[in-house]
Amino acid sequence: KNQVEQSPQSLIILEGKNCTLQCNYTVSPFSNLRWYKQDTGRGPVSLTIMTFSENTKSNGRYTATLDADTKQSSLHITASQLSDSASYICVVSAKGGSYIPTFGRGTSLIVHP
Amino acid sequence: DGGITQSPKYLFRKEGQNVTLSCEQNLNHDAMYWYRQDPGQGLRLIYYSQIVNDFQKGDIAEGYSVSREKKESFPLTVTSAQKNPTAFYLCASSIGRDLSGGQPQHFGDGTRLSIL
Repeated sequence: KNQVEQSPQSLIILEGKNCTLQCNYTVSPFSNLRWYKQDTGRGPVSLTIMTFSENTKSNGRYTATLDADTKQSSLHITASQLSDSASYICVVSAKGGSYIPTFGRGTSLIVHP
Repeated sequence: DGGITQSPKYLFRKEGQNVTLSCEQNLNHDAMYWYRQDPGQGLRLIYYSQIVNDFQKGDIAEGYSVSREKKESFPLTVTSAQKNPTAFYLCASSIGRDLSGGQPQHFGDGTRLSIL
């Protein structure tokens, strides 16, 4: 069964600090992995997508990594801001047009001033 | 600006009542989805549609129904058979009919449904 596990479940950090969120998956055959940011009471918004051949990709202060061998991804947030407070969701897709992407439960990040 | 509009933002249902959640997109996307989100849970797929007049059950379709009569619209009906409907409902769309995720899903801002 395809699964996506995220850790930690929740995280509290001080403004300006860095943090790293983890995503482990068992989806096969792997197509891509996407990170979404969901603000409270809003819909998720895509941050970045990682394909099999990509190891690292940055989007501003967000940097995603992918290790396809160990089936792990991380999302690193640099110099956190109050607006980074949100839930971060890892979504993994399998190859084949009819396979629904598998969603993780998300990591809830709170950034305190 | 293009996007997905969900309405209403808040909805209350009485026991034994059916309610319909609206989802409209002007992105010209082929695929549309309905998800349910409960506290501490990941998004769970209710129904999805890859083309007009066709839709497929997701993981938790029992107690829900949908229609796809127009490309831009994908309404969700929560029927009285759904015994625990209190949740946050999200509608999404994506380009093309390939669900393998090459294109991002664009989400609406959700409808929060509660039982009176």
